[in-house]
Amino acid sequence: GAVVSQHPSWVICKSGTSVKIECRSLDFQATTMFWYRQFPKQSLMLMATSNEGSKATYEQGVEKDKFLINHASLTLSTLTVTSAHPEDSSFYICSARIHTGETQYFGPGTRLLVL
Amino acid sequence: QKEVEQNSGPLSVPEGAIASLNCTYSDRGSQSFFWYRQYSGKSPELIMSIYSNGDKEDGRFTAQLNKASQYVSLLIRDSQPSDSATYLCAVNPANDYKLSFGAGTTVTVRA
Repeated sequence: GAVVSQHPSWVICKSGTSVKIECRSLDFQATTMFWYRQFPKQSLMLMATSNEGSKATYEQGVEKDKFLINHASLTLSTLTVTSAHPEDSSFYICSARIHTGETQYFGPGTRLLVL
Repeated sequence: QKEVEQNSGPLSVPEGAIASLNCTYSDRGSQSFFWYRQYSGKSPELIMSIYSNGDKEDGRFTAQLNKASQYVSLLIRDSQPSDSATYLCAVNPANDYKLSFGAGTTVTVRA
């Protein structure tokens, strides 16, 4: 149980384009989902927290207009990187929290490469 | 002071030995503690969660929690090459739904 999927697993795009990443909880309802970014050999960095049906809460220094988050249902959250640039190239990982506990289950991650 | 600190590593252990990973946290009101394993190029996967003082065992893994000392550890017994990964300690601070992560300890098990 507690499986989280992400799509796509890999994306390569040109600078200036927008990229949407989906995060789904497959076998449980997730009232809260989290989006992280991880650069090579660095620790996880929390970008934002999304709650179903409400606006996302962004961490300090994360541009909300650049990283659009939508949590339309209890099993789906999306992250859209708008007007992506090479410095946005990273490993984006979502996690989902079961509404009854604190445990976060991570998706497999999405590698974004912006050329 | 960082919220969660781990022994920096890297930690190299021979196959079959015990790997010992340590983590301290600053928020005394923290209630939930987790160990995640992250293989190179992959996302973290949950190994253990612990909520009460004492030991919790799951197969070759044992988590130990001491809230008075604000200390949580992970022991990996009979280490295998497949245990080579970065281990992340995560803490749920009081009154916070987010997890605070340590920087991770990289473990290498030598055959």
